[in-house]
Amino acid sequence: GIQVEQSPPDLILQEGANSTLRCNFSDSVNNLQWFHQNPWGQLINLFYIPSGTKQNGRLSATTVATERYSLLYISSSQTTDSGVYFCAAEYGNKLVFGAGTILRVKS
Amino acid sequence: GAVVSQHPSRVICKSGTSVKIECRSLDFQATTMFWYRQFPKQSLMLMATSNEGSKATYEQGVEKDKFLINHASLTLSTLTVTSAHPEDSSFYICSAVRLASYNEQFFGPGTRLTVL
Repeated sequence: GIQVEQSPPDLILQEGANSTLRCNFSDSVNNLQWFHQNPWGQLINLFYIPSGTKQNGRLSATTVATERYSLLYISSSQTTDSGVYFCAAEYGNKLVFGAGTILRVKS
Repeated sequence: GAVVSQHPSRVICKSGTSVKIECRSLDFQATTMFWYRQFPKQSLMLMATSNEGSKATYEQGVEKDKFLINHASLTLSTLTVTSAHPEDSSFYICSAVRLASYNEQFFGPGTRLTVL
């Protein structure tokens, strides 16, 4: 089956810093989603992005489907950005999740 | 829009009992719902795919007689953990795909099950 790898596994930022999270996938996919899991476990949809670039406030994402990767950019990070960021590749009609990036933003 | 709820949010039960978890799409109809399991500090693992009015499709290694799934309507799917044991303790999360839309999945808040 498809492999989805995320990097880095852990990241500590000072408030106000920028960061880039990466998601590589081993096969062609129908789509790619990014999620933020908050400390209470709720998964929040960030982007549904099969290709190209999308922006939503301080967050943006780029997927290059031909090269099988996606990037999530967080600018001017805030403590509320802390949590786990997952990418998930749509393969067939299923989502295959990466292992996640644990982000901690310090004030 | 696209709100998914789960009930209960947490449950503690004794070994050998059964527990039912409900997943509802509150403001949309869902053709398909999914059930995931997440262990501490790990990623989400798909357990089964649930389609309204038909039998669920289970992933390899998931016991269908232990994890009973019923998708009775376009807004409700239930997961019943039968004869629960401590190793079934986990965080169970459902998701739903909106009818006649892209396959974007929207997730419920999760149910934390603890089996004593």
